[in-house]
Amino acid sequence: AQRVTQPEKLLSVFKGAPVELKCNYSYSGSPELFWYVQYSRQRLQLLLRHISRESIKGFTADLNKGETSFHLKKPFAQEEDSAMYYCALNREGRALTFGSGTRLQVQP
Amino acid sequence: EAEVAQSPRYKITEKSQAVAFWCDPISGHATLYWYRQILGQGPELLVQFQDESVVDDSQLPKDRFSAERLKGVDSTLKIQPAELGDSAMYLCASSLRDRDKNEQFFGPGTRLTVL
Repeated sequence: AQRVTQPEKLLSVFKGAPVELKCNYSYSGSPELFWYVQYSRQRLQLLLRHISRESIKGFTADLNKGETSFHLKKPFAQEEDSAMYYCALNREGRALTFGSGTRLQVQP
Repeated sequence: EAEVAQSPRYKITEKSQAVAFWCDPISGHATLYWYRQILGQGPELLVQFQDESVVDDSQLPKDRFSAERLKGVDSTLKIQPAELGDSAMYLCASSLRDRDKNEQFFGPGTRLTVL
C-alpha cells in the first residue's frame, strides 16, 4: 500500500529565510508526486507536480527515488507563503494519497 | 473560471440522523472523487467515479455511506445514520479523464458536525 509521510506538523520561519517542507513516500511502482496548498479560507489547490519540473511561486520540488522523497523548497520565504501544504501521491490515474500536511508560518 | 461546487458548506446534525452532500464538478470532468478530511489529517478517499461508474469505493463504510452519480455529472454522498466519528470536512474533487491532464480540482468542502 502507498503511504505519504510529512514529519512536521508546523514549520515556522522568518521572512527571507529558506524553506524546506519534507515529504517521504512509500510505493512499489512509479509514483506521480504532487504538492497541494491551502491558503486561509481558500480551497485546496495544486501547487506543483514532479513531472512538470517547474518552479511555481518560487517553489521547487525534486523527486528523489533513491530516498523516496519529494521535498518542497523555496530559497526566500514570503509572508504570503503562509498556508497548509500537503504532499500527495497518485498511482496510475487513481485518487490521491495525501500526507497529513505541514503548516508553514512565515513571520515578518 | 469554472470551479467545483459543493453544498451545503456547513451541516450540523444529531447522531442517528441522515445527511446528504451534493457536488457539481467542473463541466467535462469525467472523474469525480469524494474525500473525507478529519481535523489534523490529510484528505482520504471515500469513493471515485468515472462517469457514472464507481472505480474505487474500498474505503467507503458501506453500512452507512452511499454515493451516486446517476447521470455522470453531479453527485450525492449520503450518510445514514450519522455517528459522532463522522464529524469531518467532506471534499469533492474532479479531473479530466486524460491521465496526462489529471490535475484534481477541489471544491470548498462541506463541514459536518455530528452532535
